[in-house]
Amino acid sequence: EVQLVQSGAEVKKPGESLKISCKSSGYSFTNYWIAWVRQMPGEGLEYMGIIYPDDSDTRYSPSFQGRVTISADKSITTAYLQWNSLKASDSAIYFCARLRALAGADYWGQGTLVTVSS
Amino acid sequence: EIVMTQSPATLSVSPGERATLSCRASQAISSNLAWYQQKPGQAPRLLIYAASTRATSIPARFSGSGSGTEFTLTINGLQSEDFAVYYCQQYSNWLPLTFGGGTRVEI
Repeated sequence: EVQLVQSGAEVKKPGESLKISCKSSGYSFTNYWIAWVRQMPGEGLEYMGIIYPDDSDTRYSPSFQGRVTISADKSITTAYLQWNSLKASDSAIYFCARLRALAGADYWGQGTLVTVSS
Repeated sequence: EIVMTQSPATLSVSPGERATLSCRASQAISSNLAWYQQKPGQAPRLLIYAASTRATSIPARFSGSGSGTEFTLTINGLQSEDFAVYYCQQYSNWLPLTFGGGTRVEI
């Protein structure tokens, strides 16, 4: 069974750093792109970037380039999303998802709620 | 960036009726389009890919059509569990992948 399990909710202060995770199981981790998707409160879905775990080829959406870092550790089939300096506007739910070629995102993590508040 | 525009923003329908949701791409994307359903507090779920192919376990009342720049998601015989937000997403250009703004289907 394919599963993507994300790390738990986080509460941080502005300026702090954060790294959240997405653990994959039930399929060949290195053969599929993983995407990170942001959903701000009451808003729609936004792709942040994607990573191919086999070689860590990473592509960022222009809106997120330089603001976050996406990485992966194929030895533990886990993808990561990190911030060096959080802002209140980073408060959102973050989803990871497996991308299937010519088919969109077919499996999703449960989401990680990030709250940034002083 | 390919911009995806969904309409209407909100669609009010009664159980048992048909819902028709639209999605337009700012440039031709062939059939490289997916539809997702999202319920409150849940992750999105893939419904349709390649514009018209139902994903695994998706009921036949969901159907997709279109190619190029105009796409439609039709839900026949709406059931209570179908009231949710629906998003289209293009994967013709991965740099970046883009979603539409969503259509809320409400009672």
